[in-house]
Parts: sequence; structure tokens; C-alpha cells
Amino acid sequence: DSGVTQTPKHLITATGQRVTLRCSPRSGDLSVYWYQQSLDQGLQFLIHYYNGEERAKGNILERFSAQQFPDLHSELNLSSLELGDSALYFCASSVRAGGGDTQYFGPGTRLTVL
Amino acid sequence: SQQGEEDPQALSIQEGENATMNCSYKTSINNLQWYRQNSGRGLVHLILIRSNEREKHSGRLRVTLDTSKKSSSLLITASRAADTASYFCATDGSGNTGKLIFGQGTTLQVKP
Repeated sequence: DSGVTQTPKHLITATGQRVTLRCSPRSGDLSVYWYQQSLDQGLQFLIHYYNGEERAKGNILERFSAQQFPDLHSELNLSSLELGDSALYFCASSVRAGGGDTQYFGPGTRLTVL
Repeated sequence: SQQGEEDPQALSIQEGENATMNCSYKTSINNLQWYRQNSGRGLVHLILIRSNEREKHSGRLRVTLDTSKKSSSLLITASRAADTASYFCATDGSGNTGKLIFGQGTTLQVKP
């Protein structure tokens, strides 16, 4: 158990819908990262927040947005869902913002868009 | 896009044998990490090696890093059936953003 929690574990929804994925980092970690894992693209970095502020963006679609709250939990919002958004979504946390820190991953949310 | 290329893509060995997986990357790095993923589950951190380190050990794991060749290897000694999983290398690239760039992974099957 990494100490990072994600809810829900599974999510099944229809195209065009909007969903929210939630992540709680390990106690004491200020950074939260979101990654998407799909069969065709592999593991892709989406976005990084540190202590409430966005620090880096990766291959995140405009239909996707994220935020980190004062209690440090983070939410990833996916809207206008398409079939291709079906994937495993992971969040990870680390103590600091920069490289050099181990990132601890949560169990993931499996999103299925029908 | 993937920074790392892992080799082999799949590996099947008998229990007790050693397993070696290789990872190559393209840009300069600050550190490289190895993760394990059991089928459809979360990623478990195995080991982090910094760019100024050449070798690191953790239990039955040995990781090497050759920055001149932009490559790393993960050796699992005396493998067990429980080691069956996918193994990924991840680099942080340059720029100190914390963003990890993953390879495509090596799928290891250890037969009892």
C-alpha cells in the first residue's frame, strides 16, 4: 500500500458525459501528478500540482482539467468523454516539486466509456 | 511520446533463474526509476538511481545506469513466480519538472 488513495476504482459512463476522479496523496506529500495508461499510448503524464499550484502540463486534452485543493487532495475532471478516453488513470504523489523524488502511485481508476 | 525503450518486450523464465531487463532513453536525466505493475493494478516503486550513480542494489534487485549510453538495466536474481508482472523504467528528463516519462515496459513471466 503506497498511501495514495484514489476513488472510484471503476467508472463506467457514456460518451459525452463528465466524470471526476479523486486522489488523496500520502501524508506529508505536497505534489500530486496525474497519469493516463492506455493500451495504445502507454503511460502518459497529464499534469502536476504542487501545494495547490499547477507546475507542469503534459499531454492533457483541453476537455480535461485538474485542481489541487487546500487539503492537498486533487481532482481530475474529464468532460465530453469519448470512447478513446477509456483508460487507467493514476495519480502519484511526492514530497517536493522537482525531479529526484520517488513518486508513489495510487491503485488507479479504471474508466470505461461506452 | 515515450522517452524510454525497453528490451525485451516480453520475457519468460523459470523460477530461480535471473531476469534482466534493459531500458534506453533519449535525453539527459537527473534520475531513473523502475516500477513494477501487476496486471491492471497500480505501479509499485522498486528503485531510484540518480544520474551520478552507476549501480544500486535493493534485495534481489540490481540496477545499473550508464549515462554515456543513455541506458539502464534491471536484474532480478533468483526469480519467483510472484515476480510475474510488467516492469517499467521512468526518467525525469531534464528541466526538473518532476514529470516522469515511461517506457513501454517489459512483461515478465516467471514459471513455477
